Amino acid sequence: GAGVSQSPSNKVTEKGKDVELRCDPISGHTALYWYRQSLGQGLEFLIYFQGNSAPDKSGLPSDRFSAERTGGSVSTLTIQRTQQEDSAVYLCASSLWLTGGEETQYFGPGTRLLVL
Amino acid sequence: DQQVKQNSPSLSVQEGRISILNCDYTNSMFDYFLWYKKYPAEGPTFLISISSIKDKNEDGRFTVFLNKSAKHLSLHIVPSQPGDSAVYFCAASWSGGFKTIFGAGTRLFVKA
Repeated sequence: GAGVSQSPSNKVTEKGKDVELRCDPISGHTALYWYRQSLGQGLEFLIYFQGNSAPDKSGLPSDRFSAERTGGSVSTLTIQRTQQEDSAVYLCASSLWLTGGEETQYFGPGTRLLVL
Repeated sequence: DQQVKQNSPSLSVQEGRISILNCDYTNSMFDYFLWYKKYPAEGPTFLISISSIKDKNEDGRFTVFLNKSAKHLSLHIVPSQPGDSAVYFCAASWSGGFKTIFGAGTRLFVKA
């Protein structure tokens, strides 16, 4: 079956521009995550959606970052007024959240963002 | 505050030998642990997991060990193969929460 897809795969933008990154999760997965991996760093949690609950935005680094998930499926991560330090690989993951916390996340290939 | 720590950024091992990747955690509420593997230009993929009710889980060449008293887990790969060269992320979650916490990753090099 289809896995998690992300678009675009690569994005080059100028400092100060806005960008939108898209994630299509696995059909039926109720949970969706956004992470960021800067060069040489680990996975930095950004935001989490679970069903109809309010999203966990605790990882968003600034108010320039926002995300939405429409219809419980596709998600868009928006970065406004991009800065050079926003350059990173943005990874989306989805999971079929099960009670008990035993969750396996399935990751997309990521979007490589370069802010010049 | 890093709740999941992988203190070795990289590890180099000879083909055929054992690779041991380590992970420490600080939150005693964690009750489910996972290892993910990541190749360049790809997203991480699930490798193996272990519940806190166990101290060992094995899947082929991969074995994860959990020491709850030490808040430590390790991933053993034996025998190591060049195709195992990747970044390995340790992750932890708990049944009362909704968020999996990832470590910073360890880059494994398996030399032929």
